[in-house]
Amino acid sequence: ETGVTQTPRHLVMGMTNKKSLKCEQHLGHNAMYWYKQSAKKPLELMFVYSLEERVENNSVPSRFSPECPNSSHLFLHLHTLQPEDSALYLCASSGPGLNSYNEQFFGPGTRLTVL
Amino acid sequence: AQKITQTQPGMFVQEKEAVTLDCTYDTSDQSYGLFWYKQPSSGEMIFLIYQGSYDEQNATEGRYSLNFQKARKSANLVISASQLGDSAMYFCAMKVPGTASKLTFGTGTRLQVTL
Repeated sequence: ETGVTQTPRHLVMGMTNKKSLKCEQHLGHNAMYWYKQSAKKPLELMFVYSLEERVENNSVPSRFSPECPNSSHLFLHLHTLQPEDSALYLCASSGPGLNSYNEQFFGPGTRLTVL
Repeated sequence: AQKITQTQPGMFVQEKEAVTLDCTYDTSDQSYGLFWYKQPSSGEMIFLIYQGSYDEQNATEGRYSLNFQKARKSANLVISASQLGDSAMYFCAMKVPGTASKLTFGTGTRLQVTL
């Protein structure tokens, strides 16, 4: 099993749908992250979880709702999204020490299209 | 606030040649970490190399080396002996203490390796 997996890889949804993105890490890390990558923009950090507690929420609209049931799994629940939310959503994890310089390991991302 | 600048939106290099991807950064912190990631068309961000602000030697990892010039606040990535598989987006990123593991990314450089 590769380090960080994400499902689904592609998702098309209407503005009234509810869907969830799933991330799973098999690296024994205790911090997990959601990033948004839009075309021609730097990666934007959305949420950070450390030991299953949310430690950062970067002014993300409430239509995005994260959930971290344990240190290996991270979800991003989506509802009533807007077309501008279409992007690549990347999950990452890192080792102990949230303020250390451990590299983050990324999953392959979910390409989301909102119609 | 931290900022990463990558001024080359796209670069071409011939196979087996070396290429330098530019990265400058801005921070008032004395302690920070600099990272380079590769993102192939599949979407996954792959960690390449790390340089700490107090490291006296330039970091090297196989064909990747980081040309760290602290006074100029630059952290250029050098790829030696380019291969076709090196064609991808390359992102420079920075992390400073006390930012809950937040990585600040640049806008990336698209590298195309040609025959």
